[in-house]
Amino acid sequence: EVVLTQSPGTLSLSPGERATLSCRASQSVSSSYLAWYQQKPGQAPRLLIYGASSRASGIPDRFIGTGSGTDFTLTISRLEPEDFAVYYCQQYGGSRILTFGPGTKVDIK
Amino acid sequence: EVQLVESGGGLVQPGGSLRLSCAASGFTFSTYAMSWVRQAPGKGLEWVSDISGSGSGGATEYVDSVRGRFTISRDNSRNTLYLQMNSLRVEDTAVYYCVKDRGSSSGWGFDCWGQGTLVIVSS
Repeated sequence: EVVLTQSPGTLSLSPGERATLSCRASQSVSSSYLAWYQQKPGQAPRLLIYGASSRASGIPDRFIGTGSGTDFTLTISRLEPEDFAVYYCQQYGGSRILTFGPGTKVDIK
Repeated sequence: EVQLVESGGGLVQPGGSLRLSCAASGFTFSTYAMSWVRQAPGKGLEWVSDISGSGSGGATEYVDSVRGRFTISRDNSRNTLYLQMNSLRVEDTAVYYCVKDRGSSSGWGFDCWGQGTLVIVSS
């Protein structure tokens, strides 16, 4: 089973700053099967990025996904007030098992 | 509008059973893979089970912790996804989300989530 590690656990930033979130896999992951989600308190998660770098419908272009192999990154170029949330990466492996990372909380500094 | 509406959650004793349902609308339900994802109180997301769409044969898979106790199924004529949960444990307590994949097999990204239904396993 592929284990995803996300860092940092918490990121404290101000609106307008750049956020860089890391997702590292215990073994190589197909880029096609790497996704990022945003979850706000009391809400269901929302798909941001699929295929490691493709933005989902309606997602602003300040959300940028990059990476391959075992290292993936979600960058939020300029934080808006509505971007403070928890972010999860997710992968799907050849064993047909999906796993999520533990999440990175982006909070207001 | 794509919509998923879960039902069936509630309080159940350890060892008990519960069946969750998810009514889907706004898309061709049979085509897409569907999953259940859960979130224990104050914790992260955990994928529980999936079932592929008609184009991928309706195959199913489970996380190890529920295999043999939970059964996922779908009724394409009713546009409904199910999760039969037996031999429930305290650690199964969570909000259970019904989710739609972008593809007929899983892994392409969950592009629609229900509002979630809370399952509490407690004596």
